[in-house]
Amino acid sequence: SAVISQKPSRDICQRGTSLTIQCQVDSQVTMMFWYRQQPGQSLTLIATANQGSEATYESGFVIDKFPISRPNLTFSTLTVSNMSPEDSSIYLCSAVSGVAGNTIYFGEGSWLTVV
Amino acid sequence: QKEVEQDPGPLSVPEGAIVSLNCTYSNSAFQYFMWYRQYSRKGPELLMYTYSSGNKEDGRFTAQVDKSSKYISLFIRDSQPSDSATYLCAISNQAGTALIFGKGTTLSVSS
Repeated sequence: SAVISQKPSRDICQRGTSLTIQCQVDSQVTMMFWYRQQPGQSLTLIATANQGSEATYESGFVIDKFPISRPNLTFSTLTVSNMSPEDSSIYLCSAVSGVAGNTIYFGEGSWLTVV
Repeated sequence: QKEVEQDPGPLSVPEGAIVSLNCTYSNSAFQYFMWYRQYSRKGPELLMYTYSSGNKEDGRFTAQVDKSSKYISLFIRDSQPSDSATYLCAISNQAGTALIFGKGTTLSVSS
């Protein structure tokens, strides 16, 4: 299995600021994803982080608000830009691992509160 | 209709009970089915992974997929207080692609 580390684990942010979340995997992985989990809700896919090219965003999420980088096969960042209280969520990094490349593991999440 | 439906509960059972958690899905193209466990303030932890139909057992946990009914289940035998968590079903139509999650069912096992 893959071990995924996220930083920061939690933060309180001021409205209008931006925060970058880092995700580090302990092995090279092909696919990485970013999810959001709003309070009391399930996980919603924000985007697929593609190595060496622009991320692929899901409907309702745009690059200007959630820029993503993936410079190599073990690391990705998600920035939450111009934050508002509605952005208060858990942001989760995940990666595909496993012998058949078909199991998806998650980091512990980054808990953001926007005030 | 949502792609994955899951009753959010909460579900409360006594220690030792058999727990049944369920999800339904709408698209017959889905082939990969997973169950995750999420403790409060933690990331989701992969519990069970099943491809296509059938049963899969791992210790006290059994995952069951009925593709004809588009119905997936997770059974927990001899439930323990440490099983108290939110259980999320997740599906995809291709290996290694992003998952679609159910809302999660919150389970509480009392001693």
